[in-house]
Parts: sequence; C-alpha cells; structure tokens
Amino acid sequence: GESVGLHLPTLSVQEGDNSIINCAYSNSASDYFIWYKQESGKGPQFIIDIRSNMDKRQGQRVTVLLNKTVKHLSLQIAATQPGDSAVYFCAENTGGYNKLIFGAGTRLAVHP
Amino acid sequence: DTGVSQDPRHKITKRGQNVTFRCDPISEHNRLYWYRQTLGQGPEFLTYFQNEAQLEKSRLLSDRFSAERPKGSFSTLEIQRTEQGDSAMYLCASSLTSGGGGEQFFGPGTRLTVL
Repeated sequence: GESVGLHLPTLSVQEGDNSIINCAYSNSASDYFIWYKQESGKGPQFIIDIRSNMDKRQGQRVTVLLNKTVKHLSLQIAATQPGDSAVYFCAENTGGYNKLIFGAGTRLAVHP
Repeated sequence: DTGVSQDPRHKITKRGQNVTFRCDPISEHNRLYWYRQTLGQGPEFLTYFQNEAQLEKSRLLSDRFSAERPKGSFSTLEIQRTEQGDSAMYLCASSLTSGGGGEQFFGPGTRLTVL
C-alpha cells in the first residue's frame, strides 16, 4: 500500500500505554485546530478538534490540549492499540473558510 | 459509501502529458478543497470552492493547474504539461459548516507519478 511519511519522527509505544503526540503551530491568529490520522493508502481521517477559546477537549480515548501562549498543541491517546498505528497530523485553520495548514506529522508505532 | 470519492486512485503519466482528476464530495457539502501531499509532508492547500465559485488559489497552483466545479457538486483538477515535480498525492476534501469549525472530510487521494 501507499507509504505516508517515510522520514517522519516516530513515536514507539507499547500496546496499552498512553501516547502523547506534540505539534507546534505557526499562526497566533489561528482559531481552530484539528488532529488527523492518516493510514497508508488513505486520506486523513478526522480525530478531534478544538477551538482557540478552549484549552482542553476530550473525546473517546483521545484528549487534545492547546497552549496558545507557546503555540503548542498535543494529542493524548489513552490505552494505545495496534489500530492506532498511523501518521498523525495537526492542522490549523487560518481563514474563515476553513483553509487548513498542516504540520509535518508524527508516525505512531504501536508494538504488541 | 457516502464519503468523499476520488478517481482515479493512481495515475502514471509521462512528462508533458495532461492529466485530469475527479473528486465527488459528500452530498450537499457546499465547500470543496484540493490539497497536495508529498512523501513525508502534510497536505498543502491548493484551492477552495464554495459551491461553484473558486474563491482562493494557492501560489502552489501554477498556471498549468486548473480546477473546476461547474455545478457545485463534483470537481476536476487538471494538470497540463506535467513535470516530474508534480508527482504527489492529490487529496480532495469537503465540508458543510461555514466559518471556523467545519470539519473537512478527505477522500482517499489520487497518487500521480510523472515519469
């Protein structure tokens, strides 16, 4: 299948551990942030989003934290599973029509 | 399957040839986006449609590239006189909500290889 992110930084975790993926964004005026998951041969899949008036949002097994002071975003995945193995991208919205600017991505490798 | 679809999934062409890709967004999504993704990078914004109107084009979209969305439904992206540097994954996304916060749903992409 298609290989995404051949030379991306890799986070290796054991199945069942918690994972934390970090992202630095560029535009202090961005007001909406999204985490996407991308598996080989597939398009990015929405995981969770957060608006700039929040600093934390929780979903099912995932939490996104936003620190606007240092322009930092993180994705926490609880009880990481082999199916979580993928490349993860953060994206910021810099325009009212949802134009997205993507970060470089992090590969998550989950080992049994 | 009611998600975003793209056709073809893979395209191999010789340098100098023209290629056209198609995107079918989620039904009733009024916004459609094209992105390009190269290996090891995140998707890069190319252009955006609201209904049939093309509202923004990235500087990445040279004059060899043209996109249309004639009836506000499906969209096509054409690349004329392809170059090896055009080799990439071309992703289409659609969304419904206006303003910040509209989730973009991505298609599986078209992988272009220019020989």
